[in-house]
Formats: sequence, structure tokens, C-alpha cells
Amino acid sequence: GQNIDQPTEMTATEGAIVQINCTYQTSGFNGLFWYQQHAGEAPTFLSYNVLDGLEEKGRFSSFLSRSKGYSYLLLKELQMKDSASYLCAVVDSNYQLIWGAGTKLIIKP
Amino acid sequence: DAMVIQNPRYQVTQFGKPVTLSCSQTLNHNVMYWYQQKSSQAPKLLFHYYDKDFNNEADTPDNFQSRRPNTSFCFLDIRSPGLGDAAMYLCATSRDRDSYNEQFFGPGTRLTVL
Repeated sequence: GQNIDQPTEMTATEGAIVQINCTYQTSGFNGLFWYQQHAGEAPTFLSYNVLDGLEEKGRFSSFLSRSKGYSYLLLKELQMKDSASYLCAVVDSNYQLIWGAGTKLIIKP
Repeated sequence: DAMVIQNPRYQVTQFGKPVTLSCSQTLNHNVMYWYQQKSSQAPKLLFHYYDKDFNNEADTPDNFQSRRPNTSFCFLDIRSPGLGDAAMYLCATSRDRDSYNEQFFGPGTRLTVL
């Protein structure tokens, strides 16, 4: 079966750095997305990785290792507004998005 | 601004009473998706349209139907809602169906079943 694993919940301090990990086992791989979802709202796109390595976009970076079936999202200089769920999703061989359950990130002052 | 619009944002229905949720898009995207998301769970794909081609997920109950009368609009019909169908329903679009095609989500419709 296809599986995406992420921690259920993480807590971090305002101004700090946090890394949210995602491991996956899917039938084929055509890229990995990270989405941010605030409570009661729709997911919004953060990043897309299809090649190994680090993609940096402002305070957010995303890393991929296809050989390890692993990705992480790195958030720097955390702000209170970063409190949200972060969803990892993998595009499988049928170009379907396989979603993780999300990591709820709690930012404390 | 190009966007994905869902109406209504909140829908209350009674057990067994049919309900229709609507989604429209101004992005002119080929693909439209309907997801069901329950609290603290991953979005679950119900079905998607690639242009007029309807694709149903194997585990989507028959109780859920969809219509796409034109490129811009897509509807989700729940024929006989049960208490277990209470959830957030998300509509999303993508330009195409292959590799790098970011999905754009509407704000969602939160369905309550009494």
C-alpha cells in the first residue's frame, strides 16, 4: 500500500527554527508537495520537489532524498502566523496526489 | 484575481436529505477535484474530472456523485447524507494532470449533518 508518515504534532518557539519530516512509500514517484493549512481553511501551496536537494524560498526550505523516500520542510524565524498544519503529499505513478495526515505546528511566544 | 470559489462555505443538512455543493473556477484549468477532509486527517480524494472525463476513486461511496457541466463549474451531490459524511469538502483545480501541477484549493464547504 501507499503510505506517507509525518509527526502528528510539533511545538516550537517564536523566532526559532523547526524541521518537519516526511517519509513516504508510494507506487512510483513524480514529485512531492508541501502545503500549509490553517485551521478551518483550505491548503495552500508551499513547495514542490522532484529532484534531490534543497529548495529555498524565503523563510521556508524543502529538502528531498528520493533514495531514502524522505523529505523535510524547514521553517526559519518562526512567526505566530506559522501555527498551522503542514501537509506532505506525493505524486505517484498515476499522477495522483497521496496525502499525509499533516503535522500540526504550535508556535509559542 | 483568478480563483477557486466554493458555495456555500457552511452547509447544514438533515440525515438523509440530499445536498449539493458547488465549485467554480476562473483559472481555466483542465482538472477539477473533490476531496473530503475530516478533522486532523489527510484530504481524501473522492473523484476528479480531467476535462469531461470523470474519474471515480474505487472507495468513494455511491452516495457521492459529481457533475461538471462546463469547464468552470463542478458539483458534488450527496444523495443521502449520513452522520459520517460530516466533513470539510474541498474543491481543487490543476492546469493538467501530470507531474508538476500544483493544485489550487477553494476555501472549502463545511458540511454538518443533523
